[in-house]
Amino acid sequence: AQSVAQPEDQVNVAEGNPLTVKCTYSVSGNPYLFWYVQYPNRGLQFLLKYITGDNLVKGSYGFEAEFNKSQTSFHLKKPSALVSDSALYFCAVRDQAGTALIFGKGTTLSVSS
Amino acid sequence: NAGVTQTPKFQVLKTGQSMTLQCAQDMNHEYMSWYRQDPGMGLRLIHYSVGAGITDQGEVPNGYNVSRSTTEDFPLRLLSAAPSQTSVYFCASRGPGNTIYFGEGSWLTVV
Repeated sequence: AQSVAQPEDQVNVAEGNPLTVKCTYSVSGNPYLFWYVQYPNRGLQFLLKYITGDNLVKGSYGFEAEFNKSQTSFHLKKPSALVSDSALYFCAVRDQAGTALIFGKGTTLSVSS
Repeated sequence: NAGVTQTPKFQVLKTGQSMTLQCAQDMNHEYMSWYRQDPGMGLRLIHYSVGAGITDQGEVPNGYNVSRSTTEDFPLRLLSAAPSQTSVYFCASRGPGNTIYFGEGSWLTVV
């Protein structure tokens, strides 16, 4: 079965500290992986994606994600968190048929000043 | 630079009423879809379309209809609203490289 797991409902970090939001996936074949961010009462904004190539993917707003095939993980990272990074983050994988994204349940990131 | 546009942003319906959520995109994307977002459940696919005249069901299609008469528009119809359809609805289209672009959402409450 295809699925995405975000094991943490909430991640709390202090401003200036590095942050990691975890994601693991289960899908047949080569995965197409995505991270989206959602601010309150807004739509989802695309951050980055992994299709093929380098395992470290760089995206918007200083975020990056590391694809690890052996651990079936695609963790989102940022070297230095900002208060404005506080939002809801979704990891997603394209389904095997290529018709939809399968989303994790989301992780709320809270960055304190 | 409109991207994906959804209307209305907020709507309150009574049980049994019908309504249509409008979605339009100006990026000439063939693929469009509707998701619903519920707390603790992420986003779930309702219906999708791979081009004008072609639609198919997603994970949670019951109670919803769609049509795709043009590339630009992909309306979602609630036939007889139920409280279980209280949710946030997102329309999306898929561009090059499989990136999916979302609208700003429609908050629907069924009372």
